[in-house]
Amino acid sequence: DSGVTQTPKHLITATGQRVTLRCSPRSGDLSVYWYQQSLDQGLQFLIQYYNGEERAKGNILERFSAQQFPDLHSELNLSSLELGDSALYFCASSVTSQGDGYTFGSGTRLTVV
Amino acid sequence: GDSVTQMEGPVTLSEEAFLTINCTYTATGYPSLFWYVQYPGEGLQLLLKATKADDKGSNKGFEATYRKETTSFHLEKGSVQVSDSAVYFCALSDRGGYQKVTFGIGTKLQVIP
Repeated sequence: DSGVTQTPKHLITATGQRVTLRCSPRSGDLSVYWYQQSLDQGLQFLIQYYNGEERAKGNILERFSAQQFPDLHSELNLSSLELGDSALYFCASSVTSQGDGYTFGSGTRLTVV
Repeated sequence: GDSVTQMEGPVTLSEEAFLTINCTYTATGYPSLFWYVQYPGEGLQLLLKATKADDKGSNKGFEATYRKETTSFHLEKGSVQVSDSAVYFCALSDRGGYQKVTFGIGTKLQVIP
């Protein structure tokens, strides 16, 4: 157990629907990062939060949004889902990003049918 | 921007063979460098890291040396085992501020008995 908890582990939903993925960071970590992992595009950075504030944005679609709450857990919202959104979504946390490396959760596998 | 280039797999080796996975990077400043490993069905785990030039990171028999002059961080292991079969990701983090970690595409290693 890495200390980073992601729920649910698996999610199957239909095109056009909306889902919410949840992440609880390791105790003491203030930064949360979301990544999308697909077979054809590797590990793509989506967004980072630090202590409740958005810090960096990557290749995140407008249909996707995220937030970090006062208790530091984070949610990634995916809407108007398309078949191409099927992927593994990972959350990672760190105290800071300055040379410490990340701790990853085990991921949420999203399948859009 | 920052980028990481690593050899594409899959790499197939016999047990006890020598392993090298090449990784080169492009970054402004002096990044920290990492190798992560992803076992089937799991999230990424930090394998080793190096934070400055000529540092050698090591863990579980794996080693990588931070070579600033060649902007490289190649992963090596003298004698691989079947249990080393996994996907290996090279990554970098620009220090300073709250910069994200940039990952390579990942190299799949398969070790056969």
